[in-house]
Amino acid sequence: DVKVTQSSRYLVKRTGEKVFLECVQDMDHENMFWYRQDPGLGLRLIYFSYDVKMKEKGDIPEGYSVSREKKERFSLILESASTNQTSMYLCASSLRNTGELFFGEGSRLTVL
Amino acid sequence: DQQVKQNSPSLSVQEGRISILNCDYTNSMFDYFLWYKKYPAEGPTFLISISSIKDKNEDGRFTVFLNKSAKHLSLHIVPSQPGDSAVYFCAASAYSGAGSYQLTFGKGTKLSVIP
Repeated sequence: DVKVTQSSRYLVKRTGEKVFLECVQDMDHENMFWYRQDPGLGLRLIYFSYDVKMKEKGDIPEGYSVSREKKERFSLILESASTNQTSMYLCASSLRNTGELFFGEGSRLTVL
Repeated sequence: DQQVKQNSPSLSVQEGRISILNCDYTNSMFDYFLWYKKYPAEGPTFLISISSIKDKNEDGRFTVFLNKSAKHLSLHIVPSQPGDSAVYFCAASAYSGAGSYQLTFGKGTKLSVIP
């Protein structure tokens, strides 16, 4: 079974803090994604990566950055957290040439 | 502009009856469609998919129908069970270069199956 593991299920941070969300997948997938889920807004793509050291902006990249130094790991960084970044963050991975995503369990971030 | 639309935020169905969840899309480049199911505090899980070359795909109690001319797909769950209560996301896939595909999600429909 594909396993996508997100480092923290629940985090509480203060405005202005730097936040790291880590994601690791164990199935050698080329593609990795970060989404956020908000009530009434569905899943919105923040950033994605097709390969190591490669990144592409999604639909809502503002206020976020990412890092992919190894194939299995994709990190989402909030340089200076703000209250409007309170959300559920979902990491996903997929094989190249397929559209099927495998999701982690999510990280619920609260910014006070 | 929303390319994948789920116009019903919520749906309530009696146990044992049919649940029909609808999804519309606007981008004719989408060639693969998926449904994901999400329970609270968990990540979405893949449920069923359909290629644009088909009009129906069935897997147990779940059937997805695709009407390309109307740019519409639907998920049928028969019979509905209380454990089906979850948020269902429709997603559409298009080739995005570099040999990879990108999914666009709808906003989701919350299904409640009443015992």
